Amino acid sequence: GAGVSQTPSNKVTEKGKYVELRCDPISGHTALYWYRQSLGQGPEFLIYFQGTGAADDSGLPNDRFFAVRPEGSVSTLKIQRTERGDSAVYLCASSLFGTGDNEQFFGPGTRLTVL
Amino acid sequence: AQKITQTQPGMFVQEKEAVTLDCTYDTSDPSYGLFWYKQPSSGEMIFLIYQGSYDQQNATEGRYSLNFQKARKSANLVISASQLGDSAMYFCAMIYTGTASKLTFGTGTRLQVTL
Repeated sequence: GAGVSQTPSNKVTEKGKYVELRCDPISGHTALYWYRQSLGQGPEFLIYFQGTGAADDSGLPNDRFFAVRPEGSVSTLKIQRTERGDSAVYLCASSLFGTGDNEQFFGPGTRLTVL
Repeated sequence: AQKITQTQPGMFVQEKEAVTLDCTYDTSDPSYGLFWYKQPSSGEMIFLIYQGSYDQQNATEGRYSLNFQKARKSANLVISASQLGDSAMYFCAMIYTGTASKLTFGTGTRLQVTL
């Protein structure tokens, strides 16, 4: 079956612009996670959805970042007034259930570059 | 708070040899899980192996095994019979089990397999 997909694979934008990053999880997976990976670092947690609701958004760095999952499947990460420091690879992952021992399957990521 | 430490930024190993990648963790929660992921230059995160804190035996998956020493809070990854395709970044990650939770990653180890 299809894995986690993310679009676009690359996004270049100018400082101050608005961007949307999309994640399409594995069909049937109830849990969806967003992570951000800066150069030379491990991924850092941003937000976790169980179904349609954000169960944990403690990793969102500030109120410029927002994510939705309106129908419990596809999720969109939205970044307003982008800054150069937002440049990173944004990874999405999904798991069958939200319990901790479930393997999280990762997508290929979206590389965001803010000029 | 959870913390993962990977002290080896880079490692070299000859083809067909075994290599150990170090990972130590810090948590006060008795219920947790430890993951290892491989990230090739293509950027995708590939699940390798999982160890639960209550598992009595060390996890093994093919050429991968996890040397879990709970009292020392270490979860080292052992790769046997290294192959050129094993060259990649390797990340250790921790999760609280029992409740839905996020992965906390270390900074990674870059493994280079040589002829």
